[in-house]
Amino acid sequence: KAGVTQTPRYLIKTRGQQVTLSCSPISGHRSVSWYQQTPGQGLQFLFEYFSETQRNKGNFPGRFSGRQFSNSRSEMNVSTLELGDSALYLCASRNGFRRAGADTQYFGPGTRLTVL
Amino acid sequence: QQQVKQSPQSLIVQKGGISIINCAYENTAFDYFPWYQQFPGKGPALLIAIRPDVSEKKEGRFTISFNKSAKQFSLHIMDSQPGDSATYFCAASKVASGSRLTFGEGTQLTVNP
Repeated sequence: KAGVTQTPRYLIKTRGQQVTLSCSPISGHRSVSWYQQTPGQGLQFLFEYFSETQRNKGNFPGRFSGRQFSNSRSEMNVSTLELGDSALYLCASRNGFRRAGADTQYFGPGTRLTVL
Repeated sequence: QQQVKQSPQSLIVQKGGISIINCAYENTAFDYFPWYQQFPGKGPALLIAIRPDVSEKKEGRFTISFNKSAKQFSLHIMDSQPGDSATYFCAASKVASGSRLTFGEGTQLTVNP
């Protein structure tokens, strides 16, 4: 079974631009979560989608948004990029039907975003 | 607000030794405590996890010890191997909150041959 895939793997943008990152979950998984990883702040939860609905949201500004499609693939968008948005963006998927903790969350390799 | 504190930030252990990483949490509503292992260029991978109704869980060379009253939990890696060299993250979540994990700062483990 293929793992979580994320595209692109690397991205360079300039301040003020917007960016869209894509995540394909493991086949059959309906829950997709996004995390931001930086050396200073560590791993921080952005949001979770389940069956095309946002189920949970972290403490990030409205410039960070996401969506999920009917095939469970997910995208996240960051508008008006700032230097501080440079990070590794990780996508994770799980089945989602079982309660969290009984249902392993699998992470993708991430998209490395650099904002210049 | 950092709800999960992890120490040490880095750890160097000799092959065959025991690696110990500690975490402390603040939110008593947390009820799921996983440990993740991350290699360079890869996403974190679940290593082992524990619920607060048990004080210890062992899987192979990896053991989680959990102290609910102290709000602390730790990862012990027995017979550490060079292949264990990676960054380790503790995390915590409320099962009712779905996939939302609160991570510790991470520990970079180096196992010397």
